Amino acid sequence: DAKTTQPTSMDCAEGRAANLPCNHSTISGNEYVYWYRQIHSQGPQYIIHGLKNNETNEMASLIITEDRKSSTLILPHATLRDTAVYYCIVRVADSWGKLQFGAGTQVVVTP
Amino acid sequence: DAGVIQSPRHEVTEMGQEVTLRCKPISGHDYLFWYRQTMMRGLELLIYFNNNVPIDDSGMPEDRFSAKMPNASFSTLKIQPSEPRDSAVYFCASSPPDRTSGKGPGANVLTFGAGSRLTVL
Repeated sequence: DAKTTQPTSMDCAEGRAANLPCNHSTISGNEYVYWYRQIHSQGPQYIIHGLKNNETNEMASLIITEDRKSSTLILPHATLRDTAVYYCIVRVADSWGKLQFGAGTQVVVTP
Repeated sequence: DAGVIQSPRHEVTEMGQEVTLRCKPISGHDYLFWYRQTMMRGLELLIYFNNNVPIDDSGMPEDRFSAKMPNASFSTLKIQPSEPRDSAVYFCASSPPDRTSGKGPGANVLTFGAGSRLTVL
C-alpha cells in the first residue's frame, strides 16, 4: 500500500473550514484514499473515501488532485467536537479489509 | 445496532496473569480486526478474521498473544502471561464485505468498538 504524509498537527477556529492535507505521491491506479478520525478515548471512526473523483457526505468533503498524488479533507464548519486525530490511508480496495494507520494529524478546534 | 461491543472497558492486572478481552462484532459483518494502540507505536493491527477464520496474524507480537473467533458473533484476544509492556488500549473492529457496505465501491468501512484499556502492573 502507498505511504501517506500528513502534518503532525493543525489548529482551526470553530465555525471555520478545516482543510487537512495528505500527500500520497506513490499511489497506484487501483488504490483508494480513506479518511478516519479518532476522538480522544474513542475508537477510530470512518469519515469518507474516494478513488479519483471528489466526494462529499454529511461529515466532510474529499478533494483529490487530478494526478491523485495528494488529497484534502475538508470539514466545512469545524466544531469543538471535531477535535481529533485524522488519519489518511491509501490502499487497494478488496484487499480483504486490512487498514494500516499512520501517525495522523492532530486537529484542535478552538473557540 | 449496538455497534461493536468490547469488554471489559478497563482491566488492571498483575504481571503474569492471564488476560482475556472480548468482542462482539456487528451482525452481518464477516471481517473482524484486533488493533492495539500505544503512545509509542500508535495503532497496530494485530490480527484479522474473515468468516471466523484467521487471515493474517503477522501483527501478533509473540506467542503470549492468541486470538480466536469461535462463531460469527464473538471473538477473544488472550494474553498469557501478561507483561507490563502489554499495557495498551485494545480495539476490536468489524467490517462488512465491500459490496454490502452501502458506501460505494472500494469502501472498507471499519466500525470500531470503544476499546479495552489494559494496564499490567
